[in-house]
Amino acid sequence: GAGVSQTPSNKVTEKGKYVELRCDPISGHTALYWYRQSLGQGPEFLIYFQGTGAADDSGLPNDRFFAVRPEGSVSTLKIQRTERGDSAVYLCASSSDSGGTDTQYFGPGTRLTVL
Amino acid sequence: GESVGLHLPTLSVQEGDNSIINCAYSNSASDYFIWYKQESGKGPQFIIDIRSNMDKRQGQRVTVLLNKTVKHLSLQIAATQPGDSAVYFCAENRDTGNQFYFGTGTSLTVIP
Repeated sequence: GAGVSQTPSNKVTEKGKYVELRCDPISGHTALYWYRQSLGQGPEFLIYFQGTGAADDSGLPNDRFFAVRPEGSVSTLKIQRTERGDSAVYLCASSSDSGGTDTQYFGPGTRLTVL
Repeated sequence: GESVGLHLPTLSVQEGDNSIINCAYSNSASDYFIWYKQESGKGPQFIIDIRSNMDKRQGQRVTVLLNKTVKHLSLQIAATQPGDSAVYFCAENRDTGNQFYFGTGTSLTVIP
């Protein structure tokens, strides 16, 4: 079956621009997570959705970052006024339920480069 | 072992040998742990998990050991194969909801 998909796979933008990164979770998965992975580091939690609502957004670094999941399926991570330090791979994961102990299935990530 | 910054711990093993990858975690309240494998250009892939009420769990060719006394986790891979070459991460759930905290990772290279 189809796994988690993310688009685009690569995004190059200029400092100060706005970007949107899309995640299509596994069908039927109610929980969706966004992570950021810098070179040589493990994924860093950003935000978690249960259904349409952001249940935990404590990992978002600042108010330039925002994510939505309006219909409880596809999610979009939005970054305003991008900075060079935002360059990283943005990973999305989904799981079948909440509770923190259900296996998270990761997508391939979107590599964001801010020039 | 663990490291800070951009220098991933590395492990090189001969094909067919057993591999042991270690991870130290920081929070004694963590109650659930996962090992992930990440190949270049791909997202992390679930390998095996263990809960804090266990000290050992086995899968296919993999075993996870948990030592809560010293807050240490290890992943053992039996008869390592070239396809096992990847970066391996441990992740802990600190019982604060749905956040998983990932370690820096260990890069495993299997020499044919």
